[in-house]
Amino acid sequence: GAGVSQSPRYKVAKRGQDVALRCDPISGHVSLFWYQQALGQGPEFLTYFQNEAQLDKSGLPSDRFFAERPEGSVSTLKIQRTQQEDSAVYLCASSLVDRGGTEAFFGQGTRLTVV
Amino acid sequence: GQNIDQPTEMTATEGAIVQINCTYQTSGFNGLFWYQQHAGEAPTFLSYNVLDGLEEKGRFSSFLSRSKGYSYLLLKELQMKDSASYLCAAPVNSGNTPLVFGKGTRLSVIA
Repeated sequence: GAGVSQSPRYKVAKRGQDVALRCDPISGHVSLFWYQQALGQGPEFLTYFQNEAQLDKSGLPSDRFFAERPEGSVSTLKIQRTQQEDSAVYLCASSLVDRGGTEAFFGQGTRLTVV
Repeated sequence: GQNIDQPTEMTATEGAIVQINCTYQTSGFNGLFWYQQHAGEAPTFLSYNVLDGLEEKGRFSSFLSRSKGYSYLLLKELQMKDSASYLCAAPVNSGNTPLVFGKGTRLSVIA
């Protein structure tokens, strides 16, 4: 596609429900990132993939959060037993190579509301 | 670790010039990015500085001083559409990844 695509755009989940957020990066992009953005804040790093390898997951807030990119393209961020504090916009970004100064392209995000 | 600070909010008048400052403390320096984010939309890339000095790109310019851990984004001839959040970001490691963002500066352009 022309850009990074995320789905769904909006998700309302009941507390305790599991959710799965999808990211389609730009075709051919090696690096893929997930960020969490609370209202009025900057994006906070969650995890990073280079192709199918998850190189850094230090930003995942708890073991309820899990991400995968099994074939090195589409990625899924899964949140189990959602809590109200998980309410945020989840942004996905991709970049062509892992080299200094390479622009990261962001999707429009999935706005998750846990009620 | 990384620490990036920028003002929370700024207001400027249409047609004017505004400077948005960013200070950073990083364990290793691998360049500094500025992104623009309109409300409800994705962040979009504005600039990348790795060497000291000013880089101009149309109405937007970005400055870097590595010795001072300081950068600014300069917006000239402000337009109403420039009302957005401006995010300063730096890579944690060598290469491009991952980016650590400041909290963003919300700029309001008024008539």
